[in-house]
Amino acid sequence: GAGVSQSPSNKVTEKGKDVELRCDPISGHTALYWYRQSLGQGLEFLIYFQGNSAPDKSGLPSDRFSAERTGGSVSTLTIQRTQQEDSAVYLCASSETRANYGYTFGSGTRLTVV
Amino acid sequence: AQTVTQSQPEMSVQEAETVTLSCTYDTSESDYYLFWYKQPPSRQMILVIRQEAYKQQNATENRFSVNFQKAAKSFSLKISDSQLGDAAMYFCAYRSYLNQGGKLIFGQGTELSVKP
Repeated sequence: GAGVSQSPSNKVTEKGKDVELRCDPISGHTALYWYRQSLGQGLEFLIYFQGNSAPDKSGLPSDRFSAERTGGSVSTLTIQRTQQEDSAVYLCASSETRANYGYTFGSGTRLTVV
Repeated sequence: AQTVTQSQPEMSVQEAETVTLSCTYDTSESDYYLFWYKQPPSRQMILVIRQEAYKQQNATENRFSVNFQKAAKSFSLKISDSQLGDAAMYFCAYRSYLNQGGKLIFGQGTELSVKP
């Protein structure tokens, strides 16, 4: 596609429920990143996929968070047993193999846990 | 580990005036990239300007320019002839040249308001 597409745009869920956030990167981009932006904060790295390599999961805050990338394209970020502190904007970005020119970001999913 | 610091949570500028946003970073690496991103209310991060650490010349993109001081580990963004559309959150970011894949490390952001 022309840009990075994220869905849903907004998600309200009850505490304890599982949620799935989707990211559709730019066609041909081999690298895909997930970031979390809490209210008034900068972007916190979560996970990074590069081609067929093992993902860099070093930023995932707990084992309730997981992500996969199927066929080197679409990625899903799953949060199990959501907590109120998970409320944030989740941003996805993609880039060519070497992100020398930065990433292209999606518009994010605003997750609210009530 | 690398860190990025933006010490100005908020800045304000009069339309048509010039404003400078500050960014400092800490790294032991000699080769890296630095970026400024703009985040309007739409939430989508937009790349404003990038700088390669091995280049001494400061990057310029139209009304946006940087003052890159490698020894001081400083990377400020200057916006000239400010426009209402420049109002947004601005994030400074660092990327290692070789390590950490393509992961960007972001500062906390500076919220810029433009007064008509």
